[in-house]
Formats: sequence, structure tokens, C-alpha cells
Amino acid sequence: GAGVSQSPRYKVAKRGQDVALRCDPISGHVSLFWYQQALGQGPEFLTYFQNEAQLDKSGLPSDRFFAERPEGSVSTLKIQRTQQEDSAVYLCASSLAEPGWSEQYFGPGTRLTVT
Amino acid sequence: EDKVVQSPLSLVVHEGDTVTLNCSYEVTNFRSLLWYKQEKKAPTFLFMLTSSGIEKKSGRLSSILDKKELFSILNITATQTGDSAVYLCAVHRIQGAQKLVFGQGTRLTINP
Repeated sequence: GAGVSQSPRYKVAKRGQDVALRCDPISGHVSLFWYQQALGQGPEFLTYFQNEAQLDKSGLPSDRFFAERPEGSVSTLKIQRTQQEDSAVYLCASSLAEPGWSEQYFGPGTRLTVT
Repeated sequence: EDKVVQSPLSLVVHEGDTVTLNCSYEVTNFRSLLWYKQEKKAPTFLFMLTSSGIEKKSGRLSSILDKKELFSILNITATQTGDSAVYLCAVHRIQGAQKLVFGQGTRLTINP
């Protein structure tokens, strides 16, 4: 079946621009996660949704970062007024059940480069 | 603060060798530990471990968890060039933040 998909795969933004990154989770998966992965590092948690409810946004680095999942399926991560330090790969993951009891399936990521 | 440390950070071996990758963790209310393989794209799931001392196997890959000493190992036998990747270890808690805490990863290179 279809896995997690993300778009765009690559995004180049000028410093100060707003960007929107999309994630389509696996159908039926209730949990959705966003991670940020800097070059040479492991992914770092940004935020977590259970259906449409954002239950944890403790990893969002600043108030320029905003995520939503209004109908409990597709999610969008928005970054306002991008900065160079926002350059990273943004990974989306979904899981069928409550976190911790089922594995998370990752999308291919969006590589964001801020110039 | 939750912490996951992987070693070595980088490893280069010849095809056919056996490798052992290490993951140690410090996390309160541990629930599970997961291993992922990351090539140039999405991390792909390998194993999820919740109980100590029970080995999980998939082909040439195997993994085991020690909850007393707070570590896990991932073994790959008879390595192939297709095993070249970054291997990520992550842990999950029972309560609180519903997230995976990842280690830095081990970059494994298999030379022919």
C-alpha cells in the first residue's frame, strides 16, 4: 500500500519567506509526527498529532513554526520568516496506534534550504 | 533530559564482515526502543524492542535489548554493500512527551 508521502521533496527559500510543507500519512493512521533532521544528526521531534488534536508541540523551535492537521489526515508544517538555521530535512511520520506501541513510518522528507 | 547515544558514529568494513552497532539510553519511563535504517531518504523500520533479553531477528540482522544496563545492540552478519546506510536508534517513553528520541546515528560503509 501507499506509504507516507511528503511534498515538496525539495524547497529553496530566500531568508524571510514563508514556506508550507505537506504530509500525507498512511490511511487510517491516527498519530502523526513532524521531525527536523540537520545534516549528520538524528531526527529531532517537533510536534505530534493524534487525529486532529495537536497533543505535543514542545519541539517547535520558535513561534515561527506552526503545524496543523484540521481533518485528522493531511498535515501542514508552516515556517514563517525563514532563517538560515531552518535549513534541514523535515520528516513526517505516522503510526497506527498510540505512540510507543507501534512503529512510526517515515516519509521521504522535505529538504529545505534557506539562502 | 532524555538522551540516546550511539557508537561508533562511523564504521567502515569489508563485505562479508560482521558488525555490531551500539545504542545506550537514559530515559525516564522507558517503553520501547526502535532501530531504523536510513539511506538517502526515509528512515525504514527495522526492529522494536520492549523486553530485555529477547533477540529479534530479520535475515542477517538481529537486535537485543538490556533494560538493566540501558543499551541495545544491532548485529549485521555477512554484510553486503546494500547494508551501507545510517542506522538510527530511538527510544519511546510511557508517559509525557509522545515522541521518539533519536541518537545521532551510526554511518556504516561496506566496501566491496
